[in-house]
Amino acid sequence: AQSVTQLGSHVSVSEGALVLLRCNYSSSVPPYLFWYVQYPNQGLQLLLKYTSAATLVKGINGFEAEFKKSETSFHLTKPSAHMSDAAEYFCAVSYGTASKLTFGTGTRLQVTL
Amino acid sequence: KAGVTQTPRYLIKTRGQQVTLSCSPISGHRSVSWYQQTPGQGLQFLFEYFSETQRNKGNFPGRFSGRQFSNSRSEMNVSTLELGDSALYLCASSAGLADPYEQYFGPGTRLTVT
Repeated sequence: AQSVTQLGSHVSVSEGALVLLRCNYSSSVPPYLFWYVQYPNQGLQLLLKYTSAATLVKGINGFEAEFKKSETSFHLTKPSAHMSDAAEYFCAVSYGTASKLTFGTGTRLQVTL
Repeated sequence: KAGVTQTPRYLIKTRGQQVTLSCSPISGHRSVSWYQQTPGQGLQFLFEYFSETQRNKGNFPGRFSGRQFSNSRSEMNVSTLELGDSALYLCASSAGLADPYEQYFGPGTRLTVT
């Protein structure tokens, strides 16, 4: 069965520091991978997606992720954290279409002054 | 373009009752998926409807059901509510074949079962 593992349920960074949120997937076939962000009392917003085109994917709000097949990873990065980035981030995987997403357990990002 | 809307936003029900949640997808979107989010189990896929037909189903008991209307609006029903059904229920829509890789989520319905 497909699954994703997010290492670290809580990550804290200083404003201006690098953000790195980790996601590993398990799959025997090429997956489609996604990162979503959830702000308090809101739904999920798509940050970026990998659908077998370029392995380095750029998303909204300055985030990007690199698909590494050899490491089965799809880590999310942002060069410089902003206070407004504080939220919960979910990595998700699907096969075929995105209509059935399997989510990781989420990583709560805290940004401090 | 209006986003995905869900009604109601908050709901309190008693054990044993049933509840119906509604989701209106983005105009033109034909696929609607439902997810349950709880602190213990995280985000779990319930089911997906496309052109009024259930296309995918997650691992939930038969108390959870859904349907989709000809205008793509979808409803989700939970019968005989249990305390463990307390959750945020999220609906997502996508364009289907036109762009199957991007799902747009609504704000969710927060269900509390007492």
